[in-house]
Amino acid sequence: GQNIDQPTEMTATEGAIVQINCTYQTSGFNGLFWYQQHAGEAPTFLSYNVLDGLEEKGRFSSFLSRSKGYSYLLLKELQMKDSASYLCASSQLASGGSYIPTFGRGTSLIVHP
Amino acid sequence: EAGVVQSPRYKIIEKKQPVAFWCNPISGHNTLYWYRQNLGQGPELLIRYENEEAVDDSQLPKDRFSAERLKGVDSTLKIQPAELGDSAVYLCASSPGEGWEQYFGPGTRLTVT
Repeated sequence: GQNIDQPTEMTATEGAIVQINCTYQTSGFNGLFWYQQHAGEAPTFLSYNVLDGLEEKGRFSSFLSRSKGYSYLLLKELQMKDSASYLCASSQLASGGSYIPTFGRGTSLIVHP
Repeated sequence: EAGVVQSPRYKIIEKKQPVAFWCNPISGHNTLYWYRQNLGQGPELLIRYENEEAVDDSQLPKDRFSAERLKGVDSTLKIQPAELGDSAVYLCASSPGEGWEQYFGPGTRLTVT
């Protein structure tokens, strides 16, 4: 997706911590979503950040800096099942006055033993 | 509670043939989205509905794609005629309203030969 930048691929070891970064265009920005998508499956919602700061949800945390147009997803105590694509999506104001979700191309995370 | 339902799950057609996809959103969700996802890419928004009204359809190739959401519940997406480049996964998602997290259906994998 245009204006969303995230790494294409990352690898990490089981039990470790990994941080997936995402930058987005700040113009008309409303909020930032993270989704997880396993191969051949539909995306599933992980988190939504509107305000600056860190939001923790179990092993997953998401951070947002509105002024920098930056977010990251932090995955702790990695498990093999965390191998998936992680999609960053921004909600931004469109010309028609509504908020449109724009997805990045996703970061493929490979967790190895 | 049932999730977003899509059918068919897979479809193989020859180029120039028509094809239609069906989506039943989560009950009570006013907002419905159709996305196209190519391999290794994030979902690309084609059209968004608020109840029965189509909004944000700027990415929908209107010469061959059409969509409808009669009565503000189920929706269909049609391609006529299909081209080789239309091969992709077509995802339907719904949300309680604009800007909320989206719940995705399993998608329809279209192969145009």
